[in-house]
Amino acid sequence: DAGITQSPRHKVTETGTPVTLRCHQTENHRYMYWYRQDPGHGLRLIHYSYGVKDTDKGEVSDGYSVSRSKTEDFLLTLESATSSQTSVYFCAISVGQGVGETQYFGPGTRLLVL
Amino acid sequence: AQSVSQHNHHVILSEAASLELGCNYSYGGTVNLFWYVQYPGQHLQLLLKYFSGDPLVKGIKGFEAEFIKSKFSFNLRKPSVQWSDTAEYFCALRSGNTGKLIFGQGTTLQVKP
Repeated sequence: DAGITQSPRHKVTETGTPVTLRCHQTENHRYMYWYRQDPGHGLRLIHYSYGVKDTDKGEVSDGYSVSRSKTEDFLLTLESATSSQTSVYFCAISVGQGVGETQYFGPGTRLLVL
Repeated sequence: AQSVSQHNHHVILSEAASLELGCNYSYGGTVNLFWYVQYPGQHLQLLLKYFSGDPLVKGIKGFEAEFIKSKFSFNLRKPSVQWSDTAEYFCALRSGNTGKLIFGQGTTLQVKP
């Protein structure tokens, strides 16, 4: 699993509440990513980080924010959860550099917004 | 815009049948291509990857893929599938220096014993 953990693994919340998902890595990799997985869409990038306090938006960033105050932790926040954010969320890290760079994924967080 | 397309959304095979899953991409530059597999209830695992060199790449569990530049394709193959290959398969393209991946929609493979 490339030393990636995600918490919580499952969460049920109500519309309008804030939610924070945590991704933790143990190997000090620079790049970290948050994706959401939905049927028929594959995985879509929400936000990514290229270092402490360095983040950028992905393809589907609306309604999400991220923070990275330490190399090992990358947090994804849903400021005010909506039912359309019901999904499975995967964190990933990039291992290697340049040509050999490969992404490895965490176990996922299943989020249900009622 | 860069994109990845997997035309087969759901494939059903019997054990020992041969497998080929299609993946086509749209990108004008140098490509890095990946196939990931997701077994039921699990996270994505890397099957194989292509960066350069030999266009026929071999991965884990007997899978291979062929990069055909002229066809913008990176199809996944396996000569003889097993029931344990039942999973969802994702093709992905790596974009630019950030390492961001663009995924196809995924193909669900069901192997009947």
